[in-house]
Amino acid sequence: EVQLVESGGGLVQPGGSLRLSCAASGFTFSSYWMHWVRQAPGKGLVWVSHINSDGSSISYADSVKGRFTISRDNAKNTLYLQMNSLRAEDTAVYYCTRAHPTLVVISYYWGQGTLVTVSS
Amino acid sequence: AIQLTQSPSSLSASVGDRVTITCRASQGISSALAWYQQKPGKAPNLLIYDASNLESGVPSRFSGSGSGTDFTLTISSLQPEDFATYYCQQFNSYPLTFGQGTRLEIK
Repeated sequence: EVQLVESGGGLVQPGGSLRLSCAASGFTFSSYWMHWVRQAPGKGLVWVSHINSDGSSISYADSVKGRFTISRDNAKNTLYLQMNSLRAEDTAVYYCTRAHPTLVVISYYWGQGTLVTVSS
Repeated sequence: AIQLTQSPSSLSASVGDRVTITCRASQGISSALAWYQQKPGKAPNLLIYDASNLESGVPSRFSGSGSGTDFTLTISSLQPEDFATYYCQQFNSYPLTFGQGTRLEIK
């Protein structure tokens, strides 16, 4: 069974930093692209970032470029999102997602999400 | 970035109704479109990819069509479990983008 378990969310002040982690199990982590998608309370889905299977291809939404860094440790089956210079508008549930088996750019399996709240 | 506009933003319908949701892209995206269903407090679930391909395990009452800039998701006969929010997503180019969502409510 595929499992994606996010952690690291919480309350942080504007300008602060957080690192989200996503522990993956039930599949060969090193073979799949991974994505982060976020959802502000009561709002829609927003794609944040992707990383390919070996970490050589990465992209970001314009709203987080230069502030967020996606990475992965294939030996630990873990995906990360380092978030710096956080703003109130970054407040959201952050979902770790695994790519579709044949379409690497879309999300297929989703974690339960971790809530990040940016507030003073 | 490619913008996706869904219509309507919300919709009230009854069990057994046929429902269509539209997603319009700000520029052509070929067939690079997916549809997701999200229920309250849950993560989204993939329904359709490549505009019209039904994901394995998804009931056949769901169907998708379109290419270029105009796409539709159709539910042929609404079931109680279909009341949820639906999102389209384009994957033709980065940044990947979602529509704003369509909330489907019980009439």
